[in-house]
Amino acid sequence: ETGVTQTPRHLVMGMTNKKSLKCEQHLGHNAMYWYKQSAKKPLELMFVYNFKEQTENNSVPSRFSPECPNSSHLFLHLHTLQPEDSALYLCASSPGDRGTDTQYFGPGTRLTVL
Amino acid sequence: AQSVTQLGSHVSVSEGALVLLRCNYSSSVPPYLFWYVQYPNQGLQLLLKYTTGATLVKGINGFEAEFKKSETSFHLTKPSAHMSDAAEYFCAVSDRYTGFQKLVFGTGTRLLVSP
Repeated sequence: ETGVTQTPRHLVMGMTNKKSLKCEQHLGHNAMYWYKQSAKKPLELMFVYNFKEQTENNSVPSRFSPECPNSSHLFLHLHTLQPEDSALYLCASSPGDRGTDTQYFGPGTRLTVL
Repeated sequence: AQSVTQLGSHVSVSEGALVLLRCNYSSSVPPYLFWYVQYPNQGLQLLLKYTTGATLVKGINGFEAEFKKSETSFHLTKPSAHMSDAAEYFCAVSDRYTGFQKLVFGTGTRLLVSP
């Protein structure tokens, strides 16, 4: 595998379920990001991790819980979601956290909350 | 706070025609500027970025963009559209003084290319 991979690619869950999204980067990067992409809205940055440490939590509801066990893996744990949480969730990585760094994105997980 | 405005949620061109996608930004400090492209069922891919130096930036697939500070713009152009250019394009701005990279994206422009 190369680049940034995300699993699963599609997920349907009920509001009472607990599920996790997984992201893995094979680029040797130190920073990883979670974004939410909803129709007709700008990409929303959710969380930023740099060297496994969370450096940004963009006022995300607690029903979204990130985990970064090492610089290559990033998880997003989901519980008691709402229908408005249905969206494409994108993971990205970058070499570091400098403003000039390029972010490399995975293909996303399409989440539907029933 | 930074913001990005992309004029036109959809732009339609004919194959071989000029592509012009507009991006205006608002930033209280000198920005870093990016254009990303998203093909169907894929993540975003960097087309080009402006960080410093020459204001005309060339990217992949024949695209280029010019940073115009006086107009707070970073419009994306391509002289001749190809069918494979059909995708969604996102302009983004990053604050060069923030301790980490925080991209602020526009709402995107979908480019439609007709034969």
